[in-house]
Amino acid sequence: QKEVEQDPGPLSVPEGAIVSLNCTYSNSAFQYFMWYRQYSRKGPELLMYTYSSGNKEDGRFTAQVDKSSKYISLFIRDSQPSDSATYLCAMKRPGGGNKLTFGTGTQLKVEL
Amino acid sequence: DAGVIQSPRHEVTEMGQEVTLRCKPISGHDYLFWYRQTMMRGLELLIYFNNNVPIDDSGMPEDRFSAKMPNASFSTLKIQPSEPRDSAVYFCASSSGLAGALSYNEQFFGPGTRLTVL
Repeated sequence: QKEVEQDPGPLSVPEGAIVSLNCTYSNSAFQYFMWYRQYSRKGPELLMYTYSSGNKEDGRFTAQVDKSSKYISLFIRDSQPSDSATYLCAMKRPGGGNKLTFGTGTQLKVEL
Repeated sequence: DAGVIQSPRHEVTEMGQEVTLRCKPISGHDYLFWYRQTMMRGLELLIYFNNNVPIDDSGMPEDRFSAKMPNASFSTLKIQPSEPRDSAVYFCASSSGLAGALSYNEQFFGPGTRLTVL
């Protein structure tokens, strides 16, 4: 079993929809949780970063961490065609030397 | 800053040939990471360096893979001999260590090298 599980999709939604992307993990030592966005044929780029449990909001994006359930989510409000990309969750434990463990990514397509 | 630079962007080679991928990290960053991305396995960490020293190479698939970082501004990932199953996109990423090893330091990714082994 992988340490981080993520549904690969693809997920197709109409413009303006609310999108929910999720990851589950098995290692309770993870304390830092990231969402990276990867456009086609590009490298991943950091979208949001959360430490421990709770919510974090940045514009149309909200990251949520539930450590008791080992479950993290990324919500996108008012989705736009420009949000079409692959979204990868990533996690790190304290003292892990900057080593990240990634999910496989969920491919999202926002249609006009 | 130009960001992380990787070369070549595309590489097509035949099975058995040696392949060398190159990376120039962001100036001032003291961590460098090599990843491999495939549809089946996602993004996998192969090896990472801190201050030019390899710290964790547990993700390197086998002895055919080797990585070096001779100085703070250059790293190579070599595959010899290459096999069709090595076909993937290889990413280099770099980060600073300013937040400390117990915290999180953002990793900045290069554009990747798309490797095809025939």
